[in-house]
Amino acid sequence: GAGVSQSPRYKVAKRGQDVALRCDPISGHVSLFWYQQALGQGPEFLTYFQNEAQLDKSGLPSDRFFAERPEGSVSTLKIQRTQQEDSAVYLCASSLARRGAFTDTQYFGPGTRLTVL
Amino acid sequence: QKEVEQDPGPLSVPEGAIVSLNCTYSNSAFQYFMWYRQYSRKGPELLMYTYSSGNKEDGRFTAQVDKSSKYISLFIRDSQPSDSATYLCAMSGNNAGNMLTFGGGTRLMVKP
Repeated sequence: GAGVSQSPRYKVAKRGQDVALRCDPISGHVSLFWYQQALGQGPEFLTYFQNEAQLDKSGLPSDRFFAERPEGSVSTLKIQRTQQEDSAVYLCASSLARRGAFTDTQYFGPGTRLTVL
Repeated sequence: QKEVEQDPGPLSVPEGAIVSLNCTYSNSAFQYFMWYRQYSRKGPELLMYTYSSGNKEDGRFTAQVDKSSKYISLFIRDSQPSDSATYLCAMSGNNAGNMLTFGGGTRLMVKP
C-alpha cells in the first residue's frame, strides 16, 4: 500500500560527477514519468515509460540525461557530468493509465533534491 | 511564453476566506485539466481534475474550466491554515502517456 518512493531524498554532487536517482513506483502501475522542478517553478516533463519501454524522452535537456526501467518497475534517472544548472528537484510519478487513456491519476513521489556545487 | 501561465503569488488570505486561483493556457489541444497541491519538500498531490469545459465540486473545492477563453480556476471555500501550500495547475492532451504540462504554481498562505 506504499506510495511512490524515491531515493536518495537529497544528493549533493560536485560539478562533473555522475549521479543516479532511483524511483520505486506503486506496485502494478504501468506508466512511469520523470519531471524536473526548478526552485519556484512547476514540474517539467522529462521522460515517460510504459512498462519497460521508454516511449517519450523529448523532455530530457541533453544527452547527459539517461533514464531506464529495465524490468518495468523500478526506474533510474542518471545524469552524467553534472552541471550547476542541473540543480533541481527530480520528481517521479506513476499511474495505472495505459497509453492514450486517461483512466487514472499520476501519483508523485517526494522527489530527490539535487544540488550541484 | 510558456504554454501555461500562473500567477506565482504569494497570496495571503485570512482563515475562512474564499480563495480564487487561476491559470491561462495557449495550447488548444489540452483536454484534461488538473489542480495539484504541493506542500514544502513534498511531491504534488492531485486535488481535482476536469475533462473539457465545465465545473466540478468536491467539498470545499470547485474547479472551473472555460476552454473558449483558455482559462481555468480553482476556488477554495472556508479556507484553513492547513490549505497553505503551493497550488499547481496541470494540463494534458491526448498525447502519448498523457504527460502533464504544469503552471509555475501559486503559493497560498492562509493566516489564522
